[in-house]
Amino acid sequence: QVQLVESGGGVVQPGRSLTLSCAASGFTFSDYALDWVRQAPGKGLEWVAAISIDGINKYYADSVKGRFSIYRDNSKNTLHLHMNTLRAEDTAIYYCARDFHSISGVDYLGAWGQGTLVTVSS
Amino acid sequence: EIVLTQSPATLSSSPGERATLSCRASQSISSFLAWYQQKPGQAPRLLIYDASNRATGIPARFSGSGSGNDFTLTISSLEPEDFAVYYCQQRSYWPLSFGGGTKVEIK
Repeated sequence: QVQLVESGGGVVQPGRSLTLSCAASGFTFSDYALDWVRQAPGKGLEWVAAISIDGINKYYADSVKGRFSIYRDNSKNTLHLHMNTLRAEDTAIYYCARDFHSISGVDYLGAWGQGTLVTVSS
Repeated sequence: EIVLTQSPATLSSSPGERATLSCRASQSISSFLAWYQQKPGQAPRLLIYDASNRATGIPARFSGSGSGNDFTLTISSLEPEDFAVYYCQQRSYWPLSFGGGTKVEIK
């Protein structure tokens, strides 16, 4: 079955960097676009970034544009989110998600990982 | 950016009752709307896509309707496991956006 497992979360000081990873299995990784979605404590869902199947097209929320970078390694079935210049408001659970339709652009999110918590605090 | 407004923020209902949740888009998104369910401590789960299509394994008591700007998720008869938070999401335009959520709680 489809499995997405995030890692890399933790406590980080404001202004520092952190990289999240997502290991995927149970489907043909290179057939699907992928996304990161975050959820601040007690708050709703916020889409963060998306990447096309070949890693060429990348999309970002305005709140993270210029600070976060999404990339993927199709040979290792992994997705990453490199986060620079972290702020307190970046504190959230970060979910890795797979697009619902294969080989799609903007899409729904058909499979989700369990998330990894990032806390930005001094 | 498409803004999705969900109402009510909280819906207090009893098991067996019908629940009607609303999602309104700031501009027309055709039928490019999905609904998700999220239970405490869990990741969201896709329920409905393209406004009215149930995802695999979703019970028939969940139904979606609407197009353009106004959408509805209906739970025909609430089961104990349906008490959760529900989000709508549009895929008509970048950036993807979610509504603020409706919490369905036990009355």
